[in-house]
Amino acid sequence: AQKITQTQPGMFVQEKEAVTLDCTYDTSDPSYGLFWYKQPSSGEMIFLIYQGSYDQQNATEGRYSLNFQKARKSANLVISASQLGDSAMYFCAMREGSQGGKLIFGQGTELSVKP
Amino acid sequence: KAGVTQTPRYLIKTRGQQVTLSCSPISGHRSVSWYQQTPGQGLQFLFEYFSETQRNKGNFPGRFSGRQFSNSRSEMNVSTLELGDSALYLCASSLVGGAISSPLHFGNGTRLTVT
Repeated sequence: AQKITQTQPGMFVQEKEAVTLDCTYDTSDPSYGLFWYKQPSSGEMIFLIYQGSYDQQNATEGRYSLNFQKARKSANLVISASQLGDSAMYFCAMREGSQGGKLIFGQGTELSVKP
Repeated sequence: KAGVTQTPRYLIKTRGQQVTLSCSPISGHRSVSWYQQTPGQGLQFLFEYFSETQRNKGNFPGRFSGRQFSNSRSEMNVSTLELGDSALYLCASSLVGGAISSPLHFGNGTRLTVT
């Protein structure tokens, strides 16, 4: 069974607009963490934002925020004021408390920012 | 502080050969993990090392092996290469192995092509 699901293979957004990338997860572990990574065409995975299962507030990092809805098991990434440099693949990932350092990744969403 | 360094960046090998990939983690990071990225399967966890011990292993055949040295540098080896082993191999390090909130910091990857 898929543990991380990203249902949007590709998305377009106009420069300066906000965009939401969807991520749903599945786990029975009460302790887990959710991560978002950006992968430009160069290949490097860049860490963007983290949300813990026990965190009461949604995480924010600059233009990135995470819309965490625990009951729905969703952890959507919101990018505000999109920039051309935001064009990349975006991956949602989960670490379960019982699995040590292992991250489980979704299939990714390719975001294209239009000028 | 230097990031995660992976060498070589590109490799071309023939079926049946073996290959060794190298990874130097961020200074002070003791946990190193490896991931395979392919268009069909996405990002898949290979293994994780912490203080020279393998802590977790993904669902890959025994042809895939790794090790970690006392300076936290890591190598992974793939023997008897198959065409399906063609992929981007990503190494990641983290400060505290297994801590849920500790993000992985990735290198640029080694792109392996098997012909």
